[in-house]
Amino acid sequence: EIQLQESGPGLVKPSQSLSLTCSVTGYTITSGYDWSWIRKFPGNKMEWMGYISYSGSTNYNPSLKSRISITRDTSKNQFFLQLNSVTTEDTATYYCARSAAAIGWFAYWGQGTLVTVSS
Amino acid sequence: DIVLTQSPALAVSLGQRATISCKTNQNVDYYGNSYMHWYQQKPGQQPKLLIYLASNLASGIPARFSGRGSGTDFTLTIDPVEADDTATYYCQQSRNLPWTFGGGTKLELK
Repeated sequence: EIQLQESGPGLVKPSQSLSLTCSVTGYTITSGYDWSWIRKFPGNKMEWMGYISYSGSTNYNPSLKSRISITRDTSKNQFFLQLNSVTTEDTATYYCARSAAAIGWFAYWGQGTLVTVSS
Repeated sequence: DIVLTQSPALAVSLGQRATISCKTNQNVDYYGNSYMHWYQQKPGQQPKLLIYLASNLASGIPARFSGRGSGTDFTLTIDPVEADDTATYYCQQSRNLPWTFGGGTKLELK
């Protein structure tokens, strides 16, 4: 069965970059589907951040477009999130998830990782 | 962006029906499908897909859960409600990018 697992620092300083890894087992990320990052803020608001497709193309939420990059390492079956110039407003639980290509519901999610932005 | 509006909370009694609503500010229908999906999230867990394309039950989800609606008005129904259903429920649209979520409805027991 497919599993996704986020990893990365739990604490990031303001103005620095946030970097997270999503490791996927049970499915090859180049075989199909879109691979997304989603975050949930304190207070429950959820935001789709962007995805990298099985072919390597990306699509980002315009609210983040200047700060976000999603890349992948196909040899390790991983994809990555980089968010630059973070502020305390980027404090959230970050999830990676898989969605059907261009259809956009999330059937598989990682457990989530809390990232706190604080000095 | 498409905005999804949910009531913040709902309280129901065990064994009764819970109806959670989600309204959008734009039509999310396209070529016969409504691009609206529902998730359940319990504290400390990841969201779980319940319903996709407005009315399709996701794999492994009990038939107590159902979804309906089209256009800009959607509902998730749980009937009958069980104690394990206490959670926050989110709607999400994928008609247009950026995909967006509702603010969540917290289901509590009376």
